[in-house]
This record gives sequence, structure tokens and C-alpha cells, in this order.
Amino acid sequence: AQTVTQSQPEMSVQEAETVTLSCTYDTSESNYYLFWYKQPPSRQMILVIRQEAYKQQNATENRFSVNFQKAAKSFSLKISDSQLGDTAMYFCAFVYNQGGKLIFGQGTELSVKP
Amino acid sequence: DAMVIQNPRYQVTQFGKPVTLSCSQTLNHNVMYWYQQKSSQAPKLLFHYYDKDFNNEADTPDNFQSRRPNTSFCFLDIRSPGLGDAAMYLCATSSTLQGQETQYFGPGTRLLVL
Repeated sequence: AQTVTQSQPEMSVQEAETVTLSCTYDTSESNYYLFWYKQPPSRQMILVIRQEAYKQQNATENRFSVNFQKAAKSFSLKISDSQLGDTAMYFCAFVYNQGGKLIFGQGTELSVKP
Repeated sequence: DAMVIQNPRYQVTQFGKPVTLSCSQTLNHNVMYWYQQKSSQAPKLLFHYYDKDFNNEADTPDNFQSRRPNTSFCFLDIRSPGLGDAAMYLCATSSTLQGQETQYFGPGTRLLVL
């Protein structure tokens, strides 16, 4: 079975600090794609960062970076210099075939406090 | 800007009254998806179109149907909405032709059933 687990239902961080959101997954596939999506109160699902499983180098997008550990099936998201606008639900997800469905984790509700 | 557009953003319908939600895209992506998202939950895939091929999830109720008249448009039809169908409906697109699996989401339609 293909599953994604986010073990932190809620997290909070002070503005300007760094926070790490955890994600583990289970798949027997060798090639797949991993994502972090952000869903603010407006409910628009926004892509934060993407990682191809065949790439060893961790993806980075400005203040967002991942720690991808393929053997451990771990895909954590680090947010540096947290901003109030980062307050949102964050979903970890993966897809393993072209045109296939995204398999989502349960989400982590992140609050950035001033 | 290329994007995924959903109309309406809010839809109120009566119990048992058919309703149609629409999605359009200017990304020229060949795959379109419909997800249902209930409060505090991850999105759940209902079905998707891979080009013209319709793919229904095994647990999607028969009450939900979809049409894709052309590449740009996709519709979600709920034949007889029940109170349990009140949710956010998210449309997403991806392109298998560009060699990447990222799904891009529209802003969603929030459905209320009275």
C-alpha cells in the first residue's frame, strides 16, 4: 500500500525562526515524485516544493528546503526565516506514475506567531 | 498567466437538486483531476481524465460524474447531492507530455447543501 504519514498535526513557530515539518512515506516503487503543498485559509492548494526520487540532491526554493532520505523514506520540509504568511496547512504528497493520483498525508497545521 | 480556474467559488444547492461545478485551464495540460476535500482532511481523488480517458476511483459514489468536452474544460456533476457531499471541490491539472508530475490546483469550489 502507498501511504504518507505526517506525525505532527499542529506546529507553531515564532516569526523569523526555523521550523521543520516531518513526513514519511511507504511505497514499493523505485521512481516517484514527492511534493509539499501549502493550503492557507483561502483553501487554494499551492505547490511549495518538488523532489524527484531519482535525484539525490535536496530541492530548495528560497526559504523552503527539503531533507530527502530515500532509504529511510523520509521527506521533511524546512522553512527558514518563517513569515506570518507561512501560516497554513501543509500537506506532504507523492505520485508514482504518470497521470496518477496524489497520495496525501494527513496534513500539518502550521501557525507562525508574531 | 496560465492557470486553473474554477467556477463558481461558492455554490449553494438543495438536497437532491443536481449541481454542476466547472473547471477550466490555460496550461494545456492533458490530465485533469477532481478532488473532494472535507474540513480538516486531505483531498480525496474522485476521478481523473488522462487525455480523453476517464478514470474513476473505486470508492467514488455513482452520484458523482464528470465530463471533459475538450482539453481545457472539465465538469463535475453531482446528480442528487446529499448533506454529506458538502465539501470543497478541487480541480487540478498535470502534464505527462512535459515529463513532470506536478499537479496544479484551482482555487476550489465550496459546495453547501441545504
